[in-house]
Amino acid sequence: EAQVTQNPRYLITVTGKKLTVTCSQNMNHEYMSWYRQDPGLGLRQIYYSMNVEVTDKGDVPEGYKVSRKEKRNFPLILESPSPNQTSLYFCASSLSWPSSYNEQFFGPGTRLTVL
Amino acid sequence: KNQVEQSPQSLIILEGKNCTLQCNYTVSPFSNLRWYKQDTGRGPVSLTIMTFSENTKSNGRYTATLDADTKQSSLHITASQLSDSASYICVVSENNAGNMLTFGGGTRLMVKP
Repeated sequence: EAQVTQNPRYLITVTGKKLTVTCSQNMNHEYMSWYRQDPGLGLRQIYYSMNVEVTDKGDVPEGYKVSRKEKRNFPLILESPSPNQTSLYFCASSLSWPSSYNEQFFGPGTRLTVL
Repeated sequence: KNQVEQSPQSLIILEGKNCTLQCNYTVSPFSNLRWYKQDTGRGPVSLTIMTFSENTKSNGRYTATLDADTKQSSLHITASQLSDSASYICVVSENNAGNMLTFGGGTRLMVKP
């Protein structure tokens, strides 16, 4: 089944404890992206990647890192999480740049709480 | 700055009734507009996509319209069902090399029996 998977789905952690949220897609998509979703603010893009070893900042990259060593995986790294990073995170992928021809598929989400 | 504004923020309707959700945008140059449905606790799923030249697109009981001149879109849901309860998100894409996306804040729809 074609899908985007994220792990973990739920995570409660403490300030400053490094964590990684994994994202994997099995559709051979080139484009992958991370979003956070907060009440009243909608989805905001954190980082995106056009292909292996090619990543770029989105609208809210501060406090996050990403890597794209393999085409299928795009982990989100929080080196020193803070409470303002408590949010619902979504990974998404598309064949190429999201456009009228390239639909973006979203993962199930990761709910992160930083105490 | 590109913006996508959705209204209403939330809506409650009775099962079987119709409703219309609005999306106004300032994104320019315009490439395409998508409507997503997001069930609680799940990722968004695409309902429709429209390019500049399209003004109506249907997907079952969902019909989206686009007026590129006034930069407005609407999503009409016919004969609502309990399973339509979800958030509906309007996303507009720029027509440039980056194809940046701007997300609306969503409309939370609740369909009651």
